[in-house]
This record gives sequence, structure tokens and C-alpha cells, in this order.
Amino acid sequence: DQQVKQNSPSLSVQEGRISILNCDYTNSMFDYFLWYKKYPAEGPTFLISISSIKDKNEDGRFTVFLNKSAKHLSLHIVPSQPGDSAVYFCAASAVGSNDYKLSFGAGTTVTVRA
Amino acid sequence: NAGVMQNPRHLVRRRGQEARLRCSPMKGHSHVYWYRQLPEEGLKFMVYLQKENIIDESGMPKERFSAEFPKEGPSILRIQQVVRGDSAAYFCASSPPSGDGFTEAFFGQGTRLTVV
Repeated sequence: DQQVKQNSPSLSVQEGRISILNCDYTNSMFDYFLWYKKYPAEGPTFLISISSIKDKNEDGRFTVFLNKSAKHLSLHIVPSQPGDSAVYFCAASAVGSNDYKLSFGAGTTVTVRA
Repeated sequence: NAGVMQNPRHLVRRRGQEARLRCSPMKGHSHVYWYRQLPEEGLKFMVYLQKENIIDESGMPKERFSAEFPKEGPSILRIQQVVRGDSAAYFCASSPPSGDGFTEAFFGQGTRLTVV
């Protein structure tokens, strides 16, 4: 039962352009959302998060948008760089739940073309 | 400061054998978490341990799986009598005893278990 879905398994983007990664969730109790980045042969690393009281959080080239009514969030990377080529996981935790009990999506593989 | 170390990186076991996965947390980290990623799925929480204590094992299958984090040495995830469905990537994460929550956790490289 996948409560967090990343429907695009892969994304290819030209260097310098915007990468938009999408994530949908089904559990209305989710109130905290995170994005992780994973390079091959490495573990996931935390990238950026957003709590449900906000609809946008920005950190440098990375911006996460949250649309609670649509149960949808997205990660924008602009401008995309070759070093951004990785697998990106969306994750969520529920109200009252421990923050380590995250529900992860299956990931989107981003390839940035030079 | 070495990161979270998991070994082995790859493990092949025949059905019915035991698998032992090891995780050495980052220096100064006393909290360890194990996650499993089945093919084409996201990571799923299994168990949360502190030194010599299992804090939360709500994500662990009730049979054949066990975890420990002894006073000395790495955390061990043990799977007895492995079956093909146990084939997955197993990730360990560690975090310091205090701080701003799980966003301060670091993940290891993972162990890919293949049951043949």
C-alpha cells in the first residue's frame, strides 16, 4: 500500500533548465514532507523539507511546493546541474507519528544532460 | 569522521540460510534505524534501536527478523531462513542522541541482499 507515489520513474533535463519532480500522497494525516537525494552506491541524503503549515520552502536552487488540497508536492531544481543527476525520493510523516517513520516514494531518477 | 558504514555491500544467500547485515553508526551517534527497500518501492521503516535497547520494532516482520545494537560493536539485522521475498536493499541510518529530529540522520550505503 503505497501512500506516497512518484509516478515518473525517470526525468531527463538539459543542463541549466528547470527540473520538476512530482509526488502525490493519499494519507491526509501527513503533515511533514521531505525530499532525499541518492547517488549510486551511496545512501539517501536529506535535501529539503516542508511542513504542512507552509506551501513553499526554498533553499538555494531547490524549492519545494506543497498543495495540500491536491495532496501533491513538487521539487523544483533551477538551474539544473550535472551533479544533480541522482535518484530523488519524496517522503512524508504523519501527525503524531515519530519522525523516523517516514513513508517513501519509489524515487525518480533525474539525468541532467550537458 | 567516517559516515554510516554498512557491510557487506552485497550479500547472496540460498533459501533457508541466515543473513546478517551490519551497521556501524557515525561516531557520536547512538540511534540506529533500519529500512528496507523492495524492488520498485520506497524505503520502509523496520526498526529503531538505541544502545542495548529496541525502541520501536513496529515495522519489523514478526517472524525470522531480529535486530540488536549491543553496547559494543555494530548494529546487526538478522534474517533467519531467508526466502526469495527478502531480496531487497537494506539501509541503516544513524542520528545523534539529541538534535532537531530525523533530518539530522545519515544513511549508510545499504546492503543489497539477494536470495537465490
